[in-house]
Parts: sequence; structure tokens; C-alpha cells
Amino acid sequence: AQTVTQSQPEMSVQEAETVTLSCTYDTSESDYYLFWYKQPPSRQMILVIRQEAYKQQNATENRFSVNFQKAAKSFSLKISDSQLGDAAMYFCAYRSYAGGTSYGKLTFGQGTILTVHP
Amino acid sequence: GAGVSQSPSNKVTEKGKDVELRCDPISGHTALYWYRQRLGQGLEFLIYFQGNSAPDKSGLPSDRFSAERTGESVSTLTIQRTQQEDSAVYLCASSEGPQGPYEQYFGPGTRLTVT
Repeated sequence: AQTVTQSQPEMSVQEAETVTLSCTYDTSESDYYLFWYKQPPSRQMILVIRQEAYKQQNATENRFSVNFQKAAKSFSLKISDSQLGDAAMYFCAYRSYAGGTSYGKLTFGQGTILTVHP
Repeated sequence: GAGVSQSPSNKVTEKGKDVELRCDPISGHTALYWYRQRLGQGLEFLIYFQGNSAPDKSGLPSDRFSAERTGESVSTLTIQRTQQEDSAVYLCASSEGPQGPYEQYFGPGTRLTVT
């Protein structure tokens, strides 16, 4: 079974600064997807960024980028030019590539609460 | 278009009562997932539906939990004889399919409080 670990329960950053959230995972599969989701107090889960394991290039979405280290099984999220609206709980998640018996279910880490100071 | 909707938004129930939670997926999405999120925790997979195939119930924590889905439409999650440890947010997600790059779109969740 796959596991996802987020070792930072809480992080804080000053507005306009850069912050990196850490995530490690464990799997015996070679093909999979990794995700970062944002959950504001409204509870709505919002997809921030996705990485396919077979792609060597790190994914980027505007101010959000990842550092994907497949051999180390590490998947960190970097938020540049932090904004007050970035404050939320962030979850790292894993999904098998081919479906199989996992049927596309997501396996989540415990989350990191990000606080942004003005 | 409309996203995933869930009802009720909040539910308070007494220990021992049964509750039913509803999820309306995005139209055309064949895959539907239920997850549970305990306070301050990550999401735990509960059950998965794909079209008319048999559901994957491997995440259901006990036989007090059950779920149904009619075709590719509404799903209901039922918890019988609720216990205090059932208090959590129950999130539903739907996607175009279980494989490939399909994104799971989440509803706003139902916060269940068992007193």
C-alpha cells in the first residue's frame, strides 16, 4: 500500500515571500500521479498542481511549482510571491497511474497548515 | 457548469441514530468517491463507484457504513447507529474516469457531529 507523509504540521510565510512545503511518499509502483490540493476554511478541496511520475520536468502553475525527486520519493511544493489568499491547509496526494485495484483513489498526507502574514 | 454538491452541509445527530448523506456528482462523471476527513487530518478513502460496476468498498471502516449510487447519478452514504468517532467531514468527489489524468472534483463536504 502507498503512504504519503507530510512532516510539517504548520508553516508560516510573510506576504510576497517564498515558502516550500514538504511531502514524501512510499510506493513500489513506477507510474503514478502526485498532487497538491489546497483546502481553505470553506472545506472546498482545490487542485493546485499535478505531476506525472513519468515526466522528468517539474510541473509549474503560475506561482506554484514542485520539486519532484522520484528516486528520493520526494514531492515538495514551492509557493512564490505568497499572497494572503494562499493561507489554507495543503495536502499532498498520490494516485496510481493505471487504476487497477486502487480504482483511482487518492491517498493523502496529513496536511500542512499554511499561515500568510501581511 | 455546476460542480459537485453535497447535502446537508452540516448534520448534528445523537449517538445511535442513522444518518444519510447525499452527493450529486458533475453530470457525465462516471467515477464517484467518498472520503472521510477527521478533524485536522488528511482524507481517508471510503468507497468508489464506477458506472454500473460493483463498487470498491475496501475503505469502509465498519459494516455500519454503506453507500449506494444509481447509475451515474446521485450517491448516498448511510451510517447506521452512529458513534462519536464517526464525527468528521465527509467529502464526495467525481471524475470522468478512474484512470488517466482525470482530475477529481470535490464537493464542499458534510460536517457530521455525533453527540
